[in-house]
Order: sequence, then C-alpha cells, then structure tokens
Amino acid sequence: DAGVTQSPTHLIKTRGQQVTLRCSPKSGHDTVSWYQQALGQGPQFIFQYYEEEERQRGNFPDRFSGHQFPNYSSELNVNALLLGDSALYLCASSLNGQGIYNEQFFGPGTRLTVL
Amino acid sequence: AQSVTQPDIHITVSEGASLELRCNYSYGATPYLFWYVQSPGQGLQLLLKYFSGDTLVQGIKGFEAEFKRSQSSFNLRKPSVHWSDAAEYFCAVGARAAGNKLTFGGGTRVLVKP
Repeated sequence: DAGVTQSPTHLIKTRGQQVTLRCSPKSGHDTVSWYQQALGQGPQFIFQYYEEEERQRGNFPDRFSGHQFPNYSSELNVNALLLGDSALYLCASSLNGQGIYNEQFFGPGTRLTVL
Repeated sequence: AQSVTQPDIHITVSEGASLELRCNYSYGATPYLFWYVQSPGQGLQLLLKYFSGDTLVQGIKGFEAEFKRSQSSFNLRKPSVHWSDAAEYFCAVGARAAGNKLTFGGGTRVLVKP
C-alpha cells in the first residue's frame, strides 16, 4: 500500500517564475492538505482540498493556489515566486469522516529553492 | 484559534541519558495532539498521538508522552537516548472543527553527545 507521494523531490526556480508541485494521497484517502515548512520553522498550513474544492485556507496570499483531481491527487501552484517562498512543501492526506478526527499522513515533501 | 509552543529551541543530551521535550498548546475544545520527528532533509514521521483516554501514550522508538489538561501540556519523554534520536521534534495540535488541519510548534532540535 503506497503512502503519500510527492513530486518532484527538489526544484530550483528564479524569482517571478511559477511552480507546480504534485501530490498523490495514500490509497483510500480523499482529502489533501498542503503545508509550507521554511528553514528552521514548523510546518504551516496552506490549504486543504476535499471533493475537488478548497475547504480550508491558512494565512497565505492568492499567489498560492491549488487543485484536486477526481482521483484525489492534488497540485499546489505558486505564482510570481519570491525568495521567501523557498521552503519544504509537505502534502498530507486523510480520509474525510463524520464525527471523528481524521489523522493526516505526510509525504516526504518537495524542496523548493527560489534564486 | 489553536497554537502550540515548544519553549526549547535546542536541547543537547548525552547518549544514554533521559530526554524530555516540552509542548504547550492553546485550544478551546478537545485537543488532538501529536509528536512528529524530522531527520535532516526528510519528511515528518509520526511518533505518537493522543486522541482520548489514557493520558500517558506510548509511541514508536521508545518514546512516550503525557497529556496534562490542567497544564495544557503534552510533553515527550524517552528514558534513554540513542545517537539516532538526534533530529528535530515537532508538537502539533489538530482541530476537528477546522477540517482537521494541524498547527505545529516551532520545533526542538535535539543533539546527542557521545
């Protein structure tokens, strides 16, 4: 049973460019969350997708957008890259359930470097 | 809104000594609490979690944590540290009312002396 997978592993971009990161959830999971982890900090919640719609959003600008596909995989897009966007981007998947806490499972992350 | 504080940025321990990492949380409802470990350049590995019930929870790699509601704490402990425990440790609180999103602390980096 494959866990959460992310691609690419590493990425280097220059300021002003756009980037797309990809995530495939754990088998059976239908919800995907994205987190940004800057160097020396804890992960910060970006947004969450369920049923192909953004369900929750953290304190991130509109330059950060996402998409979820019918097979539950997800993309994170960042436009007009800034140096401060350099970070490890983590994807987490979970199964949406009623009345319970749905544990999130993390992927290995994509390391984005903006020059 | 929930928040997590890990007061210790760095901790250095000798191999074989005991380890305790502090975590304080702020959340108005029943907290779902987690400890994760991250080795350099790696993703997050779940060590243990608390949802309800027994306030002393056992995790992987010999770690345990105790939930103390009165102190809003969820401290992580290990009786005897191994050199392979050198890593960054993150405490997190989950909010079911907020789509199960996790709020993380700033992390504690653990260095192990031989």
